[in-house]
Amino acid sequence: AQKITQTQPGMFVQEKEAVTLDCTYDTSDQSYGLFWYKQPSSGEMIFLIYQGSYDEQNATEGRYSLNFQKARKSANLVISASQLGDSAMYFCAMRTGGGADGLTFGKGTHLIIQP
Amino acid sequence: DADVTQTPRNRITKTGKRIMLECSQTKGHDRMYWYRQDPGLGLRLIYYSFDVKDINKGEISDGYSVSRQAQAKFSLSLESAIPNQTALYFCATSEGQGAEETQYFGPGTRLLVL
Repeated sequence: AQKITQTQPGMFVQEKEAVTLDCTYDTSDQSYGLFWYKQPSSGEMIFLIYQGSYDEQNATEGRYSLNFQKARKSANLVISASQLGDSAMYFCAMRTGGGADGLTFGKGTHLIIQP
Repeated sequence: DADVTQTPRNRITKTGKRIMLECSQTKGHDRMYWYRQDPGLGLRLIYYSFDVKDINKGEISDGYSVSRQAQAKFSLSLESAIPNQTALYFCATSEGQGAEETQYFGPGTRLLVL
């Protein structure tokens, strides 16, 4: 069975600082994808970034990057130069290439950016 | 216009009532999903559909049923609602199978069962 663990229930960060949100995963599949989603207080789920298990380079999307350490089974999200609008819940999720479809989500990290 | 829409956005119902949540998408994706989110938890998969003829149970399908009326429409029904089905419900779509396929979510439906 797949499992995603996010160990930081909440984080406070000063505006303009970089922030790292932790995510570890567990799967026996060789092919899998790791995703990060942002959920602002309005409730919608916004896709941020994707990393494939066979990708050799870390994914980047604007201010978001994914620090992928396959041997450690970690997929941390890094947000550079944080902004007040980054305050939200952040979810790490995994999808595997076989078996049942759908994403497996972690419990999330509540990030608050302080001015 | 949004690519994935959900109706209603908010719903209050009573225990024992049958209700339907609807999802429509204009992305042209074959795969559609229903998830629920409870406070303090991530999203959990209820049902998913590969196409109009293929419906599959997810992690927490008990108490729910679905209907894929067309490629673009996927409805979730609560046959007899109970209070612990109070949650935020999300519909999602993806283009195909595989670990690399990103899922795109609708805005969610907040359901309160009294």
